[in-house]
Amino acid sequence: DVKVTQSSRYLVKRTGEKVFLECVQDMDHENMFWYRQDPGLGLRLIYFSYDVKMKEKGDIPEGYSVSREKKERFSLILESASTNQTSMYLCASSSLGSLLNTEAFFGQGTRLTVV
Amino acid sequence: DAKTTQPPSMDCAEGRAANLPCNHSTISGNEYVYWYRQIHSQGPQYIIHGLKNNETNEMASLIITEDRKSSTLILPHATLRDTAVYYCIVMLSRDKLVFGAGTILRVKS
Repeated sequence: DVKVTQSSRYLVKRTGEKVFLECVQDMDHENMFWYRQDPGLGLRLIYFSYDVKMKEKGDIPEGYSVSREKKERFSLILESASTNQTSMYLCASSSLGSLLNTEAFFGQGTRLTVV
Repeated sequence: DAKTTQPPSMDCAEGRAANLPCNHSTISGNEYVYWYRQIHSQGPQYIIHGLKNNETNEMASLIITEDRKSSTLILPHATLRDTAVYYCIVMLSRDKLVFGAGTILRVKS
């Protein structure tokens, strides 16, 4: 069974804390993604990575950073958590493939509450 | 911005076919049409994808018009468990998935 695993299902952090959201995939995928999902705003791409140590900004990177030191792991970092970062965070991975036609697999999500 | 347009919601009777439309009039020749769905409190799940030809798998069928400007996802015998948000996505480049608002499908008994 293919699997994308997010380290926590629920997380509560205080304003100003540094927060790490971890994502691990066991499919040897090159691509990994972080999204956030909010009511009325849908799924929005924060950052993505095509390879180890590579990262690219998505649509809403402000307030976030990422780390990809190993192929299977992609971490999302909130340097100083704020209440407007309370959201559901979803990680995904996919293979580069040869024809840009491979599906993405998603984790179950981390519901982060910043108080 | 998402390159697709979908109706915000649809209802379907249990056991009947659910036909979900999607417009993608600006699709380019090498872009694929993907469909995902998201059941409440879960991550999105891949359903099917296609380029030009119609496609079928164990979950659904995908019908793409000849000019590729629109497509329809068909769930042949909808069940209550198919109630979800369905996303039609056109692949932009190098597998970067951009989600639109999707269609909320409600399957009713």
